Amino acid sequence: RKEVEQDPGPFNVPEGATVAFNCTYSNSASQSFFWYRQDCRKEPKLLMSVYSSGNEDGRFTAQLNRASQYISLLIRDSKLSDSATYLCVVNLYNQGGKLIFGQGTELSVKP
Amino acid sequence: GAVVSQHPSRVICKSGTSVKIECRSLDFQATTMFWYRQFPKQSLMLMATSNEGSKATYEQGVEKDKFLINHASLTLSTLTVTSAHPEDSSFYICSASNLAGVHEQFFGPGTRLTVL
Repeated sequence: RKEVEQDPGPFNVPEGATVAFNCTYSNSASQSFFWYRQDCRKEPKLLMSVYSSGNEDGRFTAQLNRASQYISLLIRDSKLSDSATYLCVVNLYNQGGKLIFGQGTELSVKP
Repeated sequence: GAVVSQHPSRVICKSGTSVKIECRSLDFQATTMFWYRQFPKQSLMLMATSNEGSKATYEQGVEKDKFLINHASLTLSTLTVTSAHPEDSSFYICSASNLAGVHEQFFGPGTRLTVL
């Protein structure tokens, strides 16, 4: 079983749609959680951290359920510029801050 | 956020040659740097963790004699792919952190290696 698993995708949605990404992790020692965005042939960029209480940044909302070891990302009113691959990432502090990346979910927003 | 650079951004080489990739933290001291590899349509896979002044810690399945890592200063780590082969063609990305990755890791722009 992969340590971090995401929806396989790709997601093809029209502009303005709401889209949700799901992610599960297997290591209960995971201590911090992130969503990264990666554009084609570029490095990943931090989109947002994910907190237990849930957090929102503009059109983006992240949720964490530690009991279920589940993380989600909701994008509202999607824009063309949101097209990218979204990576679910967990940080293992007890392994020197190692980041474990999910395989990513590709999003394509169409006009 | 902090800035991390990588050089070169792209390299094409013949099979059997060695390639050195540099990763620099430009505006902070990176006590820890991480090296990742990403094959097409796959996620980033950690290759090794590098702490300044000590030997790198390699992930299972990564050959330390093939992927030489040096972290001689708080702002520079290098990855040398020795005797590169076509299967080593990949996107190599470094990240840097100033507190053993407890805080955010800052990623370099990546190096695309093509071995002919």
